[in-house]
Amino acid sequence: EAQVTQNPRYLITVTGKKLTVTCSQNMNHEYMSWYRQDPGLGLRQIYYSMNVEVTDKGDVPEGYKVSRKEKRNFPLILESPSPNQTSLYFCASSLSRDHGYTFGSGTRLTVV
Amino acid sequence: SQQGEEDPQALSIQEGENATMNCSYKTSINNLQWYRQNSGRGLVHLILIRSNEREKHSGRLRVTLDTSKKSSSLLITASRAADTASYFCATDAERDDKIIFGKGTRLHILP
Repeated sequence: EAQVTQNPRYLITVTGKKLTVTCSQNMNHEYMSWYRQDPGLGLRQIYYSMNVEVTDKGDVPEGYKVSRKEKRNFPLILESPSPNQTSLYFCASSLSRDHGYTFGSGTRLTVV
Repeated sequence: SQQGEEDPQALSIQEGENATMNCSYKTSINNLQWYRQNSGRGLVHLILIRSNEREKHSGRLRVTLDTSKKSSSLLITASRAADTASYFCATDAERDDKIIFGKGTRLHILP
């Protein structure tokens, strides 16, 4: 089944403890992206990647890192999480910018 | 930077009626996309319309694009309870590689 898989689905962590949210797609998509969704703010793009080894900042990249060493994987890294990073995170991929996204199921992160 | 803005923020209609949502954006685009989200779940792509297209249909969905007014509308005909969801527009701006989402319209279909 064609899909974007995010793990974990839920995560509660403490301030400052490094964490990684994994994202994997099995559709050979070139374009991958991370968004966070907060009430009243909609979805905001954190980072995106046009292809392997190519990553760019979205609108809210501060406090996050990403890597794209292989086409299928696009992990989101929080080196030192803070409470303002508590949010619902979505990974998404598409064949190209001229195609719609396939979204993962989301990761609900709470930083205490 | 918020590119797309949906209007209205919330909409309640009776089952069977048509629902119309609008999206306005600020800069020139390559394409505009509409998505549906059910209560905290992942978004589902509905339809993509390119900047050189004016109208597109998919089942009960009709999307229009007016690049001169920098606006788009999504029409859902003969609404059903299952259409209750949030709807988002997303724009692929010409100036960069980002795909930016609006804040969404919450649609509630009343039985």
